[in-house]
Amino acid sequence: NAGVMQNPRHLVRRRGQEARLRCSPMKGHSHVYWYRQLPEEGLKFMVYLQKENIIDESGMPKERFSAEFPKEGPSILRIQQVVRGDSAAYFCASSRKTSGEETQYFGPGTRLLVL
Amino acid sequence: GESVGLHLPTLSVQEGDNSIINCAYSNSASDYFIWYKQESGKGPQFIIDIRSNMDKRQGQRVTVLLNKTVKHLSLQIAATQPGDSAVYFCAENKASSASKIIFGSGTRLSIRP
Repeated sequence: NAGVMQNPRHLVRRRGQEARLRCSPMKGHSHVYWYRQLPEEGLKFMVYLQKENIIDESGMPKERFSAEFPKEGPSILRIQQVVRGDSAAYFCASSRKTSGEETQYFGPGTRLLVL
Repeated sequence: GESVGLHLPTLSVQEGDNSIINCAYSNSASDYFIWYKQESGKGPQFIIDIRSNMDKRQGQRVTVLLNKTVKHLSLQIAATQPGDSAVYFCAENKASSASKIIFGSGTRLSIRP
């Protein structure tokens, strides 16, 4: 059973470009979470999605950032008009069901570098 | 805002010794706690969890202790091995909540040969 998959693993963008990060949850998981991690820091929650629905986006910046989890295909975290401050590692996690005790399994992350 | 924090940013341990990583949390409403291990260049890996109705839980070579009175969480690793070198995060959640895990800032564990 494959774990959470993320691609690309590394992404380099110039300021003003768009970044698209993809996450495929574990098989059987319908809940996806995105986190951001700066160097030497813990992960910060961004958004929680179920299929075709955003459940909690309280950690996501209001501008330039968007996320989706379509009925078919991976979840996408999209960052428009990237700035250098967007440089970070972005992790996706997935879980089976809605419960705070349900273990979230993390992918390997996408490391975004904005030049 | 409320957060989960750690007492020590780095910990150096002799190989074979036991390691103890501590964590303080401030959200009294949290009732579910998790320890994650993150190796360089990888995503967090689940180690062990504990609910607030417990004060101790054991896994393979790891033990988590929860002291709700002082809002303190610890991770004990027995017979530390080189493969244990990583950053360890404690994290909290509410069992009744569907979503976000709140992570602490992490402790880097290094193993001396």
